[in-house]
Amino acid sequence: DIVMTQSPDSLAVSLGERATINCKSSHSLLLGSDNENYLAWYQQKPGQPPKLLIYWASTRKPGVPDRFSGSGSGTDFTLTISSLQAEDVAVYYCQEYYNTPYNFGQGTKLEIK
Amino acid sequence: EVQLVESGGGLVQPGGSLRLSCAASGFTFSGHWMHWVRQAPGQGLVWVSRINDDGTGKAYVDSVEGRFTVSRDNAKSTLYLEMNSLRAEDTAVYYCARRDASGSYAFDIWGEGTMVTVSS
Repeated sequence: DIVMTQSPDSLAVSLGERATINCKSSHSLLLGSDNENYLAWYQQKPGQPPKLLIYWASTRKPGVPDRFSGSGSGTDFTLTISSLQAEDVAVYYCQEYYNTPYNFGQGTKLEIK
Repeated sequence: EVQLVESGGGLVQPGGSLRLSCAASGFTFSGHWMHWVRQAPGQGLVWVSRINDDGTGKAYVDSVEGRFTVSRDNAKSTLYLEMNSLRAEDTAVYYCARRDASGSYAFDIWGEGTMVTVSS
């Protein structure tokens, strides 16, 4: 199984500042045949289901604000929120969808400083 | 509107059974692989199971293998999760999620979830 490890576990950032969340996989998520990284980022607000933000490691889902961006390849990935807004308070998860059991990272709780 | 609505959760004793349903609407259900993901209280997300578009391919996380069975009825646009021999550690909110069929393969639509509590 691929193990997904996020850092940090929690993060407090001031409004308007940049937030950066890291995700490391135990196996490369880059599939050579299509040159894509099978890595997604989700946002989960309290009492709500997860919401897809980013797929293929760096492709923003239509409708997601452009302050959210994903980067990285292979085993190391980053989710960046360029200018934190109050509505971005949530838990963020990375997930590999390369192979079952499609593991998620443990989550990173993002709060306002 | 594209929507997934789970139902069937509740309180069940250890060793008991429960059948969850996920009703899909607003899209062509038969064109999508589907997943079940669970979240224990205060914990993270755990993928549970998936089924391919025609129901012939299924997979499970090790902890539920042999106890849970995923199925689907494309005519009714409904996904199911049959859960047997339930344990306390199966207590969680169970979400159904759609795999994007347009190329990303990520889980692009999620239901609101249904709570399963296993307790005596």
